[in-house]
Amino acid sequence: NAGVMQNPRHLVRRRGQEARLRCSPMKGHSHVYWYRQLPEEGLKFMVYLQKENIIDESGMPKERFSAEFPKEGPSILRIQQVVRGDSAAYFCASSPLGVGEQFFGPGTRLTVL
Amino acid sequence: AQTVTQSQPEMSVQEAETVTLSCTYDTSESDYYLFWYKQPPSRQMILVIRQEAYKQQNATENRFSVNFQKAAKSFSLKISDSQLGDAAMYFCASSSGGATNKLIFGTGTLLAVQP
Repeated sequence: NAGVMQNPRHLVRRRGQEARLRCSPMKGHSHVYWYRQLPEEGLKFMVYLQKENIIDESGMPKERFSAEFPKEGPSILRIQQVVRGDSAAYFCASSPLGVGEQFFGPGTRLTVL
Repeated sequence: AQTVTQSQPEMSVQEAETVTLSCTYDTSESDYYLFWYKQPPSRQMILVIRQEAYKQQNATENRFSVNFQKAAKSFSLKISDSQLGDAAMYFCASSSGGATNKLIFGTGTLLAVQP
């Protein structure tokens, strides 16, 4: 059973461009979480999704950030018009039940030039 | 709001010795989970150990064990017989419970293991 997959592992964007980060949860998991880790900090919750639904986006910046988890395909975290402050590692986690342990992907490191 | 506090930014231990990492948390939830995650230089988040709040017995996973003091809201991690591969950043986390179960992380403790 493959673990949580994230791609790309590294993404470089210039200010003003768009960044798309993808997450494929573990097989059988329908709950996906996105977290952001700024340099030298812990992980901060961004958004929680189930298939086709956003359940909790209380940690998501109000502008430029959006997330989706379609019926088919991976979950996508989209950042429009990136700024240098968006440079961070973005982690996706999945769980089978929406309770208890979350399994993390390897993260996507976004660098904004 | 739920919070997790790790008061030790860095710790050091000699190989084969024992070290304890501290964590305190605050929550109004009655049902929650607590976790310790390890983040080596590869940045992968690896679950070390978990504890269900309703269980009184402290969780143990091989060389890793916790001291869970529910009334004091304390959740420390003990690493016995430390190995060089244990060197990493360690994050304490609690789940928010309720409908979301989002994880709240502490700021981490960087553990160095001296040969």
